[in-house]
Amino acid sequence: QPTLTQPPSVSGAPGRRVSISCSGTRSNIGSGSDVFWYQQLPGEAPRLLISGNNKRPSGVPDRFSASKSGTSASLAISELQAEDEADYYCQAHDDNEWRVFGTGTKVTVL
Amino acid sequence: VQLVESGGDLIQPGGSLRLSCSASGFSFSSYSMNWVRQTPGKGLEWISQISGDSRTRRHAASLKGRFSVSRDNARKTLFLQMTRLSAEDTGLYYCAREDFDDYPNASDFWGPGTQVTVAS
Repeated sequence: QPTLTQPPSVSGAPGRRVSISCSGTRSNIGSGSDVFWYQQLPGEAPRLLISGNNKRPSGVPDRFSASKSGTSASLAISELQAEDEADYYCQAHDDNEWRVFGTGTKVTVL
Repeated sequence: VQLVESGGDLIQPGGSLRLSCSASGFSFSSYSMNWVRQTPGKGLEWISQISGDSRTRRHAASLKGRFSVSRDNARKTLFLQMTRLSAEDTGLYYCAREDFDDYPNASDFWGPGTQVTVAS
């Protein structure tokens, strides 16, 4: 099943900024599909974190920001905190597969 | 909004299983619903989606017709019928509500998941 490609892991010291990339194709991110990001804390279900146009559900701090360009998207976490240590997934609509997820990125706070 | 999955079990290869997802706290019939699974080797994988009125059902091509999604709006329950199960189907199965308003095409609420283990 086609997936969006993410780096397996990123890390950063508290207070620093980290970025996670999400690479797709013309049938998903490149087709104009919005990209969503989910955060999965250890032992919990994923939760919607942010959309590609930087819309955040209530309770999500504005330290999280998203962007998209061409067939790729990215999630940035500024002022990294210990509570941000989690797995992060991107997701988009795909013209062929309907819905696709990223491979997932583990964020470690050093 | 609350979603609670059930029906996960230890099942032998080749067997069948039906998962359920009980919904509450929102107008269930107004929303499309998704099934998503998480396996150790593949992360999150979208499996199926069904529209609020059950008219449109979509499944991941990789399933090769083995899974079927359905719903009962009167009981506010979502189902996933799984057949010809193999070890590759082992994982945690989530149901998730698909938003159409603030985040169209996103799964904005998820259940805690139910574990399916396929092994002899």
